[in-house]
Amino acid sequence: QKEVEQNSGPLSVPEGAIASLNCTYSDRGSQSFFWYRQYSGKSPELIMSIYSNGDKEDGRFTAQLNKASQYVSLLIRDSQPSDSATYLCAVNIGYSTLTFGKGTMLLVSP
Amino acid sequence: DAGITQSPRHKVTETGTPVTLRCHQTENHRYMYWYRQDPGHGLRLIHYSYGVKDTDKGEVSDGYSVSRSKTEDFLLTLESATSSQTSVYFCAISDEGGPYEQFFGPGTRLTVL
Repeated sequence: QKEVEQNSGPLSVPEGAIASLNCTYSDRGSQSFFWYRQYSGKSPELIMSIYSNGDKEDGRFTAQLNKASQYVSLLIRDSQPSDSATYLCAVNIGYSTLTFGKGTMLLVSP
Repeated sequence: DAGITQSPRHKVTETGTPVTLRCHQTENHRYMYWYRQDPGHGLRLIHYSYGVKDTDKGEVSDGYSVSRSKTEDFLLTLESATSSQTSVYFCAISDEGGPYEQFFGPGTRLTVL
């Protein structure tokens, strides 16, 4: 059973702080890792992809991957109230499907 | 939404009736997927397609069937809807050759009374 685990939250951070979202996965053969943002009542939106160990930065977002620990994280710097959403971690093990975590709800307070 | 539309966007139906949801893409992507999303369960894959007339089951395929007669259209059918199939249904697409990042349609909210 391929599993992707996320803390359901909510994770509450004040505006301007760094939000850290974590995800662990069970399949060591996993090759591609994605973070999606989903606002309430909307569809998931791809915000970050990462394929190799280390950090990948895109604006205020940084994705971190550690394959040895089977761990992927998303850092959001200078968090804004508009970042309040549920963040989904998704993992691909080499086939054409993704396994999704259940998501972490992030609340950014002004 | 990356050139993906879903219809209808909202539907209320009664137990035992057939329901068909449509996903249409303008991206010419090879892969198409149907998910359902429920509180406490996250996104669960129902069926997916890897080409015209080529489909496979996901983790929650019981009670659902799919068809893909054209690259751009992927249909999800509930042959006899049940209340347990009340959910939000999302279609997604991805291109061939990996890494299989998926792009989602706007979703269909289905209520089975």
